[in-house]
Amino acid sequence: GAGVSQSPSNKVTEKGKDVELRCDPISGHTALYWYRQSLGQGLEFLIYFQGNSAPDKSGLPSDRFSAERTGGSVSTLTIQRTQQEDSAVYLCASSVADYTDTQYFGPGTRLTVL
Amino acid sequence: GNSVTQMEGPVTLSEEAFLTINCTYTATGYPSLFWYVQYPGEGLQLLLKATKADDKGSNKGFEATYRKETTSFHLEKGSVQVSDSAVYFCALRGMNRDDKIIFGKGTRLHILP
Repeated sequence: GAGVSQSPSNKVTEKGKDVELRCDPISGHTALYWYRQSLGQGLEFLIYFQGNSAPDKSGLPSDRFSAERTGGSVSTLTIQRTQQEDSAVYLCASSVADYTDTQYFGPGTRLTVL
Repeated sequence: GNSVTQMEGPVTLSEEAFLTINCTYTATGYPSLFWYVQYPGEGLQLLLKATKADDKGSNKGFEATYRKETTSFHLEKGSVQVSDSAVYFCALRGMNRDDKIIFGKGTRLHILP
C-alpha cells in the first residue's frame, strides 16, 4: 500500500529503557508529524519535520524525547529512559508540503511502559 | 490560543438513529475546521472539512456546517450504521501558514445493531 506505515505496532518495555519508533511516510510527502494519543486526552502534537529539518519541536514533552528524519523520508522517534506516563499511542502523519495540506495518518504504535 | 471542545463520549446509539456530535471552537479570524474519524486499529482519516463560514462539509452521509456566529461545527448523520462505530475528532487549523492542526479529545461512538 501507499499509506503511512509505522513500526512496531505494539511495544512493551520496562521503565528506564530506551525505545525507538519508526515512521515511513507516503512517498514524496515533504512534511511529517508526530503526535501522542493518550487515553481521554486526544491528540497531542509532538514535532513537525519539513524535509530533514524540524522547524517545530514545541510539543516534545521533555529532553528524553527526540526525533530525526533522514533522506527526507523515514523518521524515528526516540524516547530515552522511558517512564510509565510515556505509555500512549504514538501516531505519525505526513502531508504533501506543510500544515496547509491534508495530513494522512499511520495506524500508530502502542507503547506500554511497565 | 486556538482550541476545540467536543462532547465527551461514549455515545451509544441504535442502528438507523440520528447522530449529532457537538463541536465548538475558539480561534481568531476564520480557521479551517475538520472532522477526522479513527476506526478500530487504524489511523485517523479525514472525514470532512470546511474552510469558510457557512460552508458545509459532507462525506459518507456525514455533514457539518461551519457556523461562525455560534463558533460551532457539529457533526451529523441522518441514519447511522454499525460500521460507523469509531472515534471522531473535531479539529481546527488557524489562518496563519504556520498554524498547526489542533484536535479535540475525541468522541467514541458505538452503534448497536
